[in-house]
Formats: sequence, structure tokens, C-alpha cells
Amino acid sequence: DIQMTQSPSSLSASVGDSVTITCRASQNIGAYLNWYQQKPGKAPKLLIYAASSLQSGVPSRFSGSGSGTDFTLTIRSLQPEDFATYFCQQSYTTPKTFGQGTHLEIK
Amino acid sequence: QVQLQESGPGLVKPSETLSLTCIVSNGSISGYSWSWIRQPPGRALEWIGYVLDTGGTNYNPSLKSRVTISLDTSKNQFSLKLRSVTAADTAVYYCARRVDTILVTDAFDIWGQGTMVTVSS
Repeated sequence: DIQMTQSPSSLSASVGDSVTITCRASQNIGAYLNWYQQKPGKAPKLLIYAASSLQSGVPSRFSGSGSGTDFTLTIRSLQPEDFATYFCQQSYTTPKTFGQGTHLEIK
Repeated sequence: QVQLQESGPGLVKPSETLSLTCIVSNGSISGYSWSWIRQPPGRALEWIGYVLDTGGTNYNPSLKSRVTISLDTSKNQFSLKLRSVTAADTAVYYCARRVDTILVTDAFDIWGQGTMVTVSS
């Protein structure tokens, strides 16, 4: 199975800050990488697909980049509603696997 | 907006079969494939498998021998059966719509809220 490793596992930031979350795959997955946001007690929400494409309806302050094994999710000008857990998912091969999540909290 | 809602027992005894249903509302189940994903307490999400609108399936090899995912188009719902459960199967179980197009490969664009299933005697 392809292992997905996210860093950091938790992160504190303030409203208005920019943050970057990293996801590393254990082998080359091209651009087959998706990012999700999850708030407590809520369903996960697809943010980014194919490493850098913004899902419809997602604010443009979210962006994704990377290819191969290293990927990043950047959130610019953090808003109060952005404090949540973020996780990556590789869609390159079966089984689909997820990162362990990055918890973004308010400083 | 399409919505998904999981339903099923919150407690299952060891060695028995876990059965969950996901009802699809405000949209048709046809034309998409549908997935189950779970998250054990304190652990990462784990993809269980999906069913295509044709009825074909693709399962996580680690669970394949125990899993069946099926579609009921007449009721606009799909289901998960996981046999011979143990405590390791305790998790929040999510149903999700799988998107697989030229642009979007194997992403999950709509999720249910999740349902906690505990395996215990």
C-alpha cells in the first residue's frame, strides 16, 4: 500500500495568517492527490483534486501544489471557518489511502 | 444538493456481520459509483471499497474477503456488509460518492455525516 504522511500533525495559527500543510507519498503518485477538510461532527469536504485543481465552490484562498511524492496545501488569509482537520488522499492506485490528518487550530 | 445519510446498528457483537445502509437523497444513485470509508478512533481514514453504477465492485485487499458493497437503485441506496467483525472494526463509517472522470480521479466529493459502530460483546 502507498503510505501518505502528513506534516505537521497539528498546527496553531491566527486569523489572517497563511499556512502550509505537507503530504508525502511513499512512492511516485504523479498528480493523483486530493485534499479534504473536516470539521468536528461534520462530513469531510473535498477541497482540491488532482493535486492543484480547486473543487467547485471552494474559496480561492485554498491552493494545492506538487507532484510525484511531495504535495502541499496552502491556505492564505485564514478565516475563522478554516480551523478544521485537513487530510490528503492518493487516488493513484488501489487501495486508496489517506494521510493521518493535520489539525489546524486557532492560536 | 445531493445528500447522503448512513443508517444501521451502532453496536455489533464480535464474529457477527456489520450492516450499514446509505440513503442518497436529492439526486439519483445512477451514473455514479459509491464508496464506504471508515475511521477507527485516533487513526487515519481507511478506504473500504466502492460499487459502480453497473454493480461492479472494487475492495480494499485487506478487507476483500469479508466485505460486500451493493446497490439498490429502486430505493436509491447502497449498503455495506462486513462479516466476522472484531474490535479492530470499531470505527466511524462514512458513505461517500466517488467521482472518477478525466479530470477528477477517484475523489470523494460528497460524504455522509458518518455513523459510529462499536464491536463489543
